[in-house]
Amino acid sequence: DAGITQSPRYKITETGRQVTLMCHQTWSHSYMFWYRQDLGHGLRLIYYSAAADITDKGEVPDGYVVSRSKTENFPLTLESATRSQTSVYFCASSEFRGETQYFGPGTRLLVL
Amino acid sequence: GDSVTQMEGPVTLSEEAFLTINCTYTATGYPSLFWYVQYPGEGLQLLLKATKADDKGSNKGFEATYRKETTSFHLEKGSVQVSDSAVYFCALGHASGGSYIPTFGRGTSLIVHP
Repeated sequence: DAGITQSPRYKITETGRQVTLMCHQTWSHSYMFWYRQDLGHGLRLIYYSAAADITDKGEVPDGYVVSRSKTENFPLTLESATRSQTSVYFCASSEFRGETQYFGPGTRLLVL
Repeated sequence: GDSVTQMEGPVTLSEEAFLTINCTYTATGYPSLFWYVQYPGEGLQLLLKATKADDKGSNKGFEATYRKETTSFHLEKGSVQVSDSAVYFCALGHASGGSYIPTFGRGTSLIVHP
């Protein structure tokens, strides 16, 4: 189906483990984004990408790694998960800079 | 840098009441302005947008006008329904100049009672 998908939708992991959240879009949008959403903090940008092989830090990048070898995929890796990374993670894409963002359904991550 | 300020919630209304959610922004240049809505358990989705001063965005009975003189983009609806209960986010983005990073407000929760 066309659109933007995230997997897994729910994930429980333990402190210190590596976790990768997947994001896939079918529109060939240039821009892709990772946000985390926490009560009291709204949406916070973790990383973004303007094109394949071009990524840049957002507001809260520490503890996260991204890559974008293909236009349609933008995985987010937590190299060594911490409890403070328990959150809801949203991936989004936009065709052009400053344009409408299309959000995925989110991944709910619990780090024990 | 850019910033978006929106009224804190929750906003609680009875069905058929008039809704206003205030949003003001600080930005260089001429950003596009957006309202997104997030229903429980879902991602954000675009509600409406405006790309230049005095433009009015509208969708599903919601409206907002891009006011450059007051740097505002207030969301209004004449008669809310229970199904409008959600969190609403005001946002801005630059197609050229300014920051590459979109800026979101903190979100305003709307609760509509029957």
